[in-house]
Amino acid sequence: GENVEQHPSTLSVQEGDSAVIKCTYSDSASNYFPWYKQELGKRPQLIIDIRSNVGEKKDQRIAVTLNKTAKHFSLHITETQPEDSAVYFCAASDDTGNQFYFGTGTSLTVIP
Amino acid sequence: GAVVSQHPSWVICKSGTSVKIECRSLDFQATTMFWYRQFPKQSLMLMATSNEGSKATYEQGVEKDKFLINHASLTLSTLTVTSAHPEDSSFYICSALNRAGTGELFFGEGSRLTVL
Repeated sequence: GENVEQHPSTLSVQEGDSAVIKCTYSDSASNYFPWYKQELGKRPQLIIDIRSNVGEKKDQRIAVTLNKTAKHFSLHITETQPEDSAVYFCAASDDTGNQFYFGTGTSLTVIP
Repeated sequence: GAVVSQHPSWVICKSGTSVKIECRSLDFQATTMFWYRQFPKQSLMLMATSNEGSKATYEQGVEKDKFLINHASLTLSTLTVTSAHPEDSSFYICSALNRAGTGELFFGEGSRLTVL
């Protein structure tokens, strides 16, 4: 099955700085890559996603890039704010949507 | 966005008893639901994929007789932890795939199981 790796496992940044989280995947059939934010004690929430026919997608302070050849995708958060502090998970799925595999998570702390 | 409800949110049980956790998609039909287990400060580990009207597909290392999954309707999947033991204590979270909509995955609130 798919193997999704995520780095770093923890990340601390100063408020206003940028944060980058990287993921790699193994299955070339994967073509849907969502990112989830999970605040303590709450359910994961989708924050942005990208499909393999797109190389980059941006939504305000959040952007995701995809390199399908290298099988890696990244989450970029600019102008970080304390409320961005959470655990972020990347995931990979194929067209069928029958399987979603998650990365190991990145605990982001934004220091005011 | 779509709503997925999971119940109970927290359950404590004695060792040897069975516990059923429900996952409902409230405003869309979910032909596919996923069950995950999450240990503290760790990732979501896929346990099984539940397809409506058919047997669940279990990930390697997950005991299907231990974790019974039933997906009898398009809006409900259940996970039953049979003969629970302390090592089964964990946070179990379901998600439902909204195929008819954006293809997004929506998560339930999670269920914390504590086995004494």
